[in-house]
Amino acid sequence: DTEVTQTPKHLVMGMTNKKSLKCEQHMGHRAMYWYKQKAKKPPELMFVYSYEKLSINESVPSRFSPECPNSSLLNLHLHALQPEDSALYLCASSQESDTSRPHYGYTFGSGTRLTVV
Amino acid sequence: AQKVTQAQTEISVVEKEDVTLDCVYETRDTTYYLFWYKQPPSGELVFLIRRNSFDEQNEISGRYSWNFQKSTSSFNFTITASQVVDSAVYFCALSLTGTYKYIFGTGTRLKVLA
Repeated sequence: DTEVTQTPKHLVMGMTNKKSLKCEQHMGHRAMYWYKQKAKKPPELMFVYSYEKLSINESVPSRFSPECPNSSLLNLHLHALQPEDSALYLCASSQESDTSRPHYGYTFGSGTRLTVV
Repeated sequence: AQKVTQAQTEISVVEKEDVTLDCVYETRDTTYYLFWYKQPPSGELVFLIRRNSFDEQNEISGRYSWNFQKSTSSFNFTITASQVVDSAVYFCALSLTGTYKYIFGTGTRLKVLA
C-alpha cells in the first residue's frame, strides 16, 4: 500500500460547525504533515508530526487542531472556521522524520476540498 | 534567503510537442534537495523526481527528463512528445537539511491540447 488516503474528499461547513478531516497511511512512514493550498497557489505547511508527536506548528490559528492518534492516522479538527479558510487541505507522509538525514520526498493524499459558508 | 522561481505561469502546447518547464532556485546551503511534483485536477501532488545537491547527473524517465545545473541554479523539466494526460500544475520545490519544510515555486500550469 503506497497511498495516503484522505476523507472526506469534499466538505462544506458553516462557521459554527465542528468537523474533522482524516488522513491515513500504511507505509510505515514516521512523519505526517498537513498542508493548506489556496487556489492557484503552492501548498503551505501547517503542521508536522514526527513519531506521533507534534514537531512543528506554523503559527496556525487555534481553530485548526491537529491530532495523531497513532502512527498511521492523522486528524485535523476544525471549529469556528472563517470563509477565508476555504481551501484544499492536503495530508502527506514521509519515510524519514529526522531532518538531518536525506529527504526522500513526500507522499501526498488527494486532499479535502473545504468550503466554509 | 531560499527561494524557488517558476517564471512560466501557464504553458499551452499541442499534443506531441516537447515542452520544458523552468525552475530556478536560490540557497546558500551546500546540501539541499530539489523535487518536482505534478498536481493533476484531482488534487493530489504526485512525486516525480528528487535530486540532491551533489548529484548533477541528468535523468530520464520515459518521456520525462530533468536537467540539473548548479552553475545556473536551475533544475529544468522536459516532457517529450507531450500528451493530454500531462495537463496539470507542476511544482518545483527545494528542501534543506535540518528542516521539514519545502520551499515551493508558484507552479506552472501546463495545458496539452489534443
